[in-house]
Amino acid sequence: EIVLTQSPDFQSVTPKEIVTITCRASQSIGKSLHWYQQKPDQSPRLLIKYASQSVSGVPSRFSGSGSGTDFTLTIYSLEAEDAAVYYCQQSNSIPPTFGQGTKLEIK
Amino acid sequence: EVQLVESGGGLVQPGRSLRLSCAASGFTFDNYAMHWVRQVPGKGLEWISAITWNSVTIFYADSVRGRFTIARDNAKNSVYLQMNSLRIEDTALYYCTRAPTIGGHPLDSWGQGTLVTVSS
Repeated sequence: EIVLTQSPDFQSVTPKEIVTITCRASQSIGKSLHWYQQKPDQSPRLLIKYASQSVSGVPSRFSGSGSGTDFTLTIYSLEAEDAAVYYCQQSNSIPPTFGQGTKLEIK
Repeated sequence: EVQLVESGGGLVQPGRSLRLSCAASGFTFDNYAMHWVRQVPGKGLEWISAITWNSVTIFYADSVRGRFTIARDNAKNSVYLQMNSLRIEDTALYYCTRAPTIGGHPLDSWGQGTLVTVSS
């Protein structure tokens, strides 16, 4: 099973900051890495697919990069509505696995 | 609009059974593999099972294999999760999700989840 490790676990940031969340895979997964956002009391929402591809309806301030084992989610010009837990997920092999999540708090 | 609506959750005693359902609408159901993902309240996401569009291929997480059974009925646009021999650690919010295939793709739509509480 592929293990995904996110960092940090928690981050407190102010609006308009640039935020970076990383996800490291225990083995190479190419670009089969996706990012989700989960706001309180809501279901997860797909943010970025295949490491760097945008998803319809997601604001352009969300951006992804990386391949192989190291991936990054960047949020440019953070907004208050971005307070959420962010998860990475790999679809390279079964079982699909998720990172432990990164909680983003907006000051 | 894609909709996935889970039902069937509730309070159940350890060792008993429960059957979850997920009704899909707004897309061609038999073009997609369907997955179940669960989340202990306040914790992370755990994938537990998936089924291909034609039910030919099925996968389970080790934590539920032998106890849970996934099935689908394309005529009813529905996917099911039969949960037997429930344990306290199965307590979670269960989400129904979809992807074009079992592997290689993101889970691009999620239901609101149905809560399963296993307690004596």
